[in-house]
Amino acid sequence: QSVLTQPPSASGTPGQRVSISCSGSSSDIGTNTVNWYQQLPRTAPKLLIYSDDQRPSGVPDRFSGSKSGTSASLVISGLQSEDEADYYCATWDGSLNGVFGGGTKLTVL
Amino acid sequence: QITLKESGPTLVKPTQTLTLTCTFSGFSASTTGVGVGWIRQPPGKALEWLGVIFWDDDKRYSPSLKSRLTISKDTSKNQVVLKMTNVDPADTATYYCAHGWFWGYYFNYWGQGTLVTVSS
Repeated sequence: QSVLTQPPSASGTPGQRVSISCSGSSSDIGTNTVNWYQQLPRTAPKLLIYSDDQRPSGVPDRFSGSKSGTSASLVISGLQSEDEADYYCATWDGSLNGVFGGGTKLTVL
Repeated sequence: QITLKESGPTLVKPTQTLTLTCTFSGFSASTTGVGVGWIRQPPGKALEWLGVIFWDDDKRYSPSLKSRLTISKDTSKNQVVLKMTNVDPADTATYYCAHGWFWGYYFNYWGQGTLVTVSS
């Protein structure tokens, strides 16, 4: 059972706005920044968002992240078919141990 | 250009020790702020953080696996090694190594992963 809670699935049609939530606690998300990873089928994860809301170079600006209290969200605006993937949130705890969410499978209808 | 690649056995017997090597290029594991982490993913399941070794040789391990894991690095060879003792079929997974940053604790470059099956 993952420390961070994500919905197991999400879906949307092309062009829609989709949000994926990530819930933690005061000892992880409540204290530290959140990162998001995208894992396309049969590939290694890729960093999508770091430090709550920062996009690495090359990540489209339709991906955005935010955090409030002990929860974080990933928003995909203008959903595209190539966005169909698994999405994971991650952070760390007070002992510098990393934690991942259980992952959300995004389906583009 | 940063690259990482995992190597090691694809099949391990229960109770044996699994040793995986992450060979990387494009960065130094002794650069301030750098960490090399290990993450695994059982087939069809979620990512699981295993541990990380930082530039100053500080190491952190998953609390649930701490007694079975050892991470070490050889800066001269650009390698980081993960050892997992007493493996079980539940340890069957794709194992990834990744380059990360202490500040922000994120992994921005990942290896392709290596599938390890634990079976007699």
